[in-house]
Amino acid sequence: SQTIHQWPATLVQPVGSPLSLECTVEGTSNPNLYWYRQAAGRGLQLLFYSVGIGQISSEVPQNLSASRPQDRQFILSSKKLLLSDSGFYLCVCRGRRGSYNEQFFGPGTRLTVL
Amino acid sequence: GENVEQHPSTLSVQEGDSAVIKCTYSDSASNYFPWYKQELGKRPQLIIDIRSNVGEKKDQRIAVTLNKTAKHFSLHITETQPEDSAVYFCAASDLVNAGKSTFGDGTTLTVKP
Repeated sequence: SQTIHQWPATLVQPVGSPLSLECTVEGTSNPNLYWYRQAAGRGLQLLFYSVGIGQISSEVPQNLSASRPQDRQFILSSKKLLLSDSGFYLCVCRGRRGSYNEQFFGPGTRLTVL
Repeated sequence: GENVEQHPSTLSVQEGDSAVIKCTYSDSASNYFPWYKQELGKRPQLIIDIRSNVGEKKDQRIAVTLNKTAKHFSLHITETQPEDSAVYFCAASDLVNAGKSTFGDGTTLTVKP
């Protein structure tokens, strides 16, 4: 089964600073990868998804960008953080479980922008 | 795009009682409906899921029902226990269209001993 790594686990950044969150996946090839953000007390909002290397689709206009330089690497970035970028960022991989396509969640990065 | 609404936002039950959480979705193309349990500070964990060709699925104390015509699905937890306390999320997904999921806003379930 898939294993998803995310780092850092927690991050405190000042407004206006850059951001780079990394996600790597083991145990699968050519996965669909997703970045979700969870604001405090809220559900998960899909930010970006990727079906392959160099292929990025953005779901909502925002201050963030994503890249997929390798098959099992997914990066979330920002040039200048805003207060509203605070949240719990989850990298998700869609993989096979029997005949189903299940979503596997990474451990998440908790970002606080001050 | 898909829109998922989840109710109630908070639910408090006595240990041993049943809990029901309901979700509605808007996109008839959605064909996969997972439910997740999220404990404080942790990642969501899949607890049960259902595909659109099935009306009901049960796994021990947890069951999910799906009404495709009405576009709603529900999570049922019987004989609740304090360790069931968590935030529960429903989601609707189109497994064909890149597998994107739209999540509900979550239900905070508290089971009182």
